[in-house]
Amino acid sequence: DTAVSQTPKYLVTQMGNDKSIKCEQNLGHDTMYWYKQDSKKFLKIMFSYNNKELIINETVPNRFSPKSPDKAHLNLHINSLELGDSAVYFCASSRGSPGELFFGEGSRLTVL
Amino acid sequence: AQSVTQLGSHVSVSEGALVLLRCNYSSSVPPYLFWYVQYPNQGLQLLLKYTTGATLVKGINGFEAEFKKSETSFHLTKPSAHMSDAAEYFCAVSGGTSYGKLTFGQGTILTVHP
Repeated sequence: DTAVSQTPKYLVTQMGNDKSIKCEQNLGHDTMYWYKQDSKKFLKIMFSYNNKELIINETVPNRFSPKSPDKAHLNLHINSLELGDSAVYFCASSRGSPGELFFGEGSRLTVL
Repeated sequence: AQSVTQLGSHVSVSEGALVLLRCNYSSSVPPYLFWYVQYPNQGLQLLLKYTTGATLVKGINGFEAEFKKSETSFHLTKPSAHMSDAAEYFCAVSGGTSYGKLTFGQGTILTVHP
């Protein structure tokens, strides 16, 4: 029983395409996140949702659009993919303990 | 604004030796501090955290860390390294109005030699 699951795990696509990554958590948590880990392993928060409401929106290009249909799901849609979007995208969730996040296994996006 | 600096991108130890991974933070508000571990091709897993109270915190797998406010440090230690400890370790800080927003350090890769 995977607590935080992401699909797909690997995604290879061409520049200019649009792609989505899906995330689901079965932990009953209220808050979900998207983090980006670049090629140097640097992790940076992108978005956070609490009960389907956007609460953190870092300086991310508007080509990235998160959507939370319910509090167990947080999807990430990326338009007009660029080479610099290549990274591992991690979904995470938390209940209430600040900073205590449960991470998915990541989705490795490669843009050619 | 908050930041985290992990001293040493790679640390190598022998099995059975002391593990010491260094982390210094900067925060204008009382910080919450965390150590996460990432095994290859996996997500991050929380090792331990400091929020308030006792400054020496114990985590999973025999790891512990001590919050030293005067030194703005939160170093991670384990008395005796095991081969299974080989992974990448990330220190993180949160605080202020967005306690849920973690700022991560650059990570330290721990290698354990037989």
